[in-house]
Amino acid sequence: GAVVSQHPSRVICKSGTSVKIECRSLDFQATTMFWYRQFPKKSLMLMATSNEGSKATYEQGVEKDKFLINHASLTLSTLTVTSAHPEDSSFYICSAKPGQFLSEQYFGPGTRLTVT
Amino acid sequence: SQKIEQNSEALNIQEGKTATLTCNYTNYSPAYLQWYRQDPGRGPVFLLLIRENEKEKRKERLKVTFDTTLKQSLFHITASQPADSATYLCALDRNNNAGNMLTFGGGTRLMVKP
Repeated sequence: GAVVSQHPSRVICKSGTSVKIECRSLDFQATTMFWYRQFPKKSLMLMATSNEGSKATYEQGVEKDKFLINHASLTLSTLTVTSAHPEDSSFYICSAKPGQFLSEQYFGPGTRLTVT
Repeated sequence: SQKIEQNSEALNIQEGKTATLTCNYTNYSPAYLQWYRQDPGRGPVFLLLIRENEKEKRKERLKVTFDTTLKQSLFHITASQPADSATYLCALDRNNNAGNMLTFGGGTRLMVKP
């Protein structure tokens, strides 16, 4: 149980284009999903917390107009990187909490974004 | 400022030995602490959670201790196997406007040699 999928697993896009990454909880409902970014050999940096039906809460320094998050249902959250630039190239990982009172998070397999 | 520190150097041990990984934190008062395993190019996998009122927790070959006075958690893998080679992350909870979320340490890479 508690499986989270991400799509696509890899994407290469040209500078200036937008890319959408999907995060789905496959066998549970997730009122809260999280989006992280990870650079090589570094830890996960939380970008935003996404609650179903409400606006995402962004961490300090994360541009909400650049990283658009939509959590329209209890099993789907999307992250759109708008007007991508090479410095946006990174490993993006989502996670979901299976219950409001449960603490552990279940992570997707990640999406490798390369902006050329 | 809040800090979570893990051994940044890789830990190399021989198969069958016990691996011990350290997580230290400052300026935190977490209600619980979690450990995750991450393989290259993959998302982290939840391993164990220990609450502030628990001193020790076990799961199969894994053992976690939590000392809120020392502000430290130790993560042990007994009878280690090459398949245990991975990066291990500790994470502490904090609360933002949206609720409880996790802050991760930098991770420790474990290499178990046959």
